[in-house]
Amino acid sequence: DSGVTQTPKHLITATGQRVTLRCSPRSGDLSVYWYQQSLDQGLQFLIQYYNGEERAKGNILERFSAQQFPDLHSELNLSSLELGDSALYFCASSVEGRRDEQYFGPGTRLTVT
Amino acid sequence: AQKITQTQPGMFVQEKEAVTLDCTYDTSDQSYGLFWYKQPSSGEMIFLIYQGSYDEQNATEGRYSLNFQKARKSANLVISASQLGDSAMYFCAMREDEPGNTPLVFGKGTRLSVIA
Repeated sequence: DSGVTQTPKHLITATGQRVTLRCSPRSGDLSVYWYQQSLDQGLQFLIQYYNGEERAKGNILERFSAQQFPDLHSELNLSSLELGDSALYFCASSVEGRRDEQYFGPGTRLTVT
Repeated sequence: AQKITQTQPGMFVQEKEAVTLDCTYDTSDQSYGLFWYKQPSSGEMIFLIYQGSYDEQNATEGRYSLNFQKARKSANLVISASQLGDSAMYFCAMREDEPGNTPLVFGKGTRLSVIA
């Protein structure tokens, strides 16, 4: 158990809908990262938050947004869903100053039908 | 820009044998970190081992060791005494050592199958 929690574990929804994925980092970790794993694109970084502020942005679509709350949990919002958004979405966390760590949550498997 | 290349889409190894999974990287940064993760069929990403670019010794964690050759920009994972439970996807990843932690860049992975 990495200490990073993600809910829900599975999500099935229809095209055009909007969903919210939730992540709680390990205790003490201020950085939260979101990654998308799909068959055609592999593992891609989406966005990073540090202590409530956006720190880095990767290949995140405009239809996607995220935020990190004062209690450090983070939410990834996916809207106007398309079939191609079906993927495994991971949240990871790390503590500032520890370059050798980045622990992943169990992931949320999103299926868009 | 950073790039990770894993040239072996799939590998087979006999139980109790050692296996090497290849990883080469490209970066213009002088300070960076290299990671290996294991992803079993259940889907979770399990951290295995880390190597810093300025670490003089190769990293080891139990049956896992990282064969780091900086001049060749390679960071191969060696698994000794393979077990059936080692069957999984293995991902090599790197990050630059900027102030504040940075995201990981992943390779496409190698699927390892351990045969009894």
